[in-house]
Amino acid sequence: AQSVTQLDSQVPVFEEAPVELRCNYSSSVSVYLFWYVQYPNQGLQLLLKYLSGSTLVKGINGFEAEFNKSQTSFHLRKPSVHISDTAEYFCAVSGSSNYKLTFGKGTLLTVNP
Amino acid sequence: NAGVTQTPKFQVLKTGQSMTLQCAQDMNHNSMYWYRQDPGMGLRLIYYSASEGTTDKGEVPNGYNVSRLNKREFSLRLESAAPSQTSVYFCASSEGGKAYGYTFGSGTRLTVV
Repeated sequence: AQSVTQLDSQVPVFEEAPVELRCNYSSSVSVYLFWYVQYPNQGLQLLLKYLSGSTLVKGINGFEAEFNKSQTSFHLRKPSVHISDTAEYFCAVSGSSNYKLTFGKGTLLTVNP
Repeated sequence: NAGVTQTPKFQVLKTGQSMTLQCAQDMNHNSMYWYRQDPGMGLRLIYYSASEGTTDKGEVPNGYNVSRLNKREFSLRLESAAPSQTSVYFCASSEGGKAYGYTFGSGTRLTVV
């Protein structure tokens, strides 16, 4: 079984500042890792995913994440945020041999002018 | 647009009433899932269907039933609604039975009074 811990429930930042949303996972097997974004009153949209290969993964809207196996982390970063990045972000993990995604509890990113 | 369609978008039920949430996908995906989202809890898996003709319990199946009607459709039924089932319900699908990322519907906001 796998689990995900998102270390911050809320992250407020100012526009054009850098941001890092932290995610740690636990699993006894190889994993796939994902970040999803949910804008207010909408469904979830895939930002990026790590399946294998390069540990630095680039996604949509200028976001990137780095897979760190030794620290069991998959932190999401953006060098300069915009007001439109205000949303809830979910980290998720699945084992490489199963179908199910396990989600973290989410981090609410609020970008202030 | 191709994707996952959920109906209805909003519903208010009285305690003890029953209803079925509908979900259909047009991407020829094998696997389909039902999640519920509650504040501060992230998304929790209710039931999933790895392929047509199979269904399995997720993390929080009590009080729910599902039917994989065909490859496209996966419904969620509440036989006797309870206030604890007030939530936002998301249907998702994925290709190839692997968690290469899900496509989510826009959600059903259910209130049980």
